[in-house]
Amino acid sequence: SAVISQKPSRDICQRGTSLTIQCQVDSQVTMMFWYRQQPGQSLTLIATANQGSEATYESGFVIDKFPISRPNLTFSTLTVSNMSPEDSSIYLCSEISGQGDEQFFGPGTRLTVL
Amino acid sequence: AQSVTQPDIHITVSEGASLELRCNYSYGATPYLFWYVQSPGQGLQLLLKYFSGDTLVQGIKGFEAEFKRSQSSFNLRKPSVHWSDAAEYFCAVVPSNDYKLSFGAGTTVTVRA
Repeated sequence: SAVISQKPSRDICQRGTSLTIQCQVDSQVTMMFWYRQQPGQSLTLIATANQGSEATYESGFVIDKFPISRPNLTFSTLTVSNMSPEDSSIYLCSEISGQGDEQFFGPGTRLTVL
Repeated sequence: AQSVTQPDIHITVSEGASLELRCNYSYGATPYLFWYVQSPGQGLQLLLKYFSGDTLVQGIKGFEAEFKRSQSSFNLRKPSVHWSDAAEYFCAVVPSNDYKLSFGAGTTVTVRA
């Protein structure tokens, strides 16, 4: 499996500001995803990060709030914009090498919004 | 509607005792099935997966899971738990014609001495 790193590992931010989270994979992967895990909750898919094109968002998530980039096959960013305390969550990126393969996850970014 | 259900929110088990975590899914065709573990402050680690074939799947850390098509279930088991098995366990599914993971709500396992 690929090794996935995320930066930052955690951050505390003020409401109204934005934070960009980076996800780096050590090998080229087919697909990358971003998930949110709210406190005490399960994981919810935010979007599929498409290489060279706009991300595909799941219901309830919009590009203006969670802009995503994927400039190449090993790197993606998720921005949490105009943050509010409700955005306090763990954000995880994941990768998959092929349809039906298992997904591997990064260590997550723990975000606290005050 | 497609869904994955983990009926048990929290399970407490004694160290050395057996553990079984339940997972049921509702999909038109048998999806790909996974169990992940999330230890406190850690990321998600894949325990095991089922795609096809033998319905009893062996995973890491001494875990196994059994796929039962008739019951739409994929229950996770471990014969003898260790204190380090205290964690959050997630069942997850991917439709066979898709790539998006859907997670169950998770089961928190507490291990008492």
